[in-house]
Amino acid sequence: EVQLVQSAAEVKKPGESLRISCKGSGYSFTSYWITWVRQMPGKGLEWMGAIDPSDSYTYYSPSFQGHVAISADKSINTAYLQWSSLKASDTAMYYCARERASDYWGRGTLVTVSS
Amino acid sequence: ENVLTQSPGTLSLSPGERATLSCRASRSVTSSYLAWYQQKPGQAPRLLIYGASSRATGIPDRFSGSGSGTDFTLTISRLEPEDFAVYYCQQYGTSPWTFGQGTKVEIK
Repeated sequence: EVQLVQSAAEVKKPGESLRISCKGSGYSFTSYWITWVRQMPGKGLEWMGAIDPSDSYTYYSPSFQGHVAISADKSINTAYLQWSSLKASDTAMYYCARERASDYWGRGTLVTVSS
Repeated sequence: ENVLTQSPGTLSLSPGERATLSCRASRSVTSSYLAWYQQKPGQAPRLLIYGASSRATGIPDRFSGSGSGTDFTLTISRLEPEDFAVYYCQQYGTSPWTFGQGTKVEIK
């Protein structure tokens, strides 16, 4: 069974760093892109970027480039989304999903940034 | 960036009725790499259609996708109670792989 298991919800303060994870199982992790999608409270889906776990080639949306970093460790079938300095406006649900037309999704990681 | 505009913003219909959702791209979508997703409150999105017209695994045949170039349509032939949700289109032909803003299908 294909699964994407995301890390637990996080509560952080502005300026703090954070890394959330997405672990794939039940399929060949290096054969499919991992995409990250943001959904702010009550809003629509925003594509942030994607990584090819086989070689860590990464695409970013211009809206997120420079503010987040996407990485992957193929030895443990895990992709990451990382911030070095969080803002209150980063408060959102973050989903990882498999492939470009995303057939499998994680349940999401809720990130709350508040002073 | 290829901007996707969905219309209408909200569609108010009754169970059994036909729903027609539109997605218009600012540039031609490469190789018809256009997907449709359904999202219900508190849930992750679910892939319905990929490649503009191919149904994803397990998706009922009342859902169909059509279109090419810059104009795409998702049709739900007869609305079931579980179909009332928000629907998003996404192009994945050219980075960034953008989403439309969504169409909410609500019960009239």
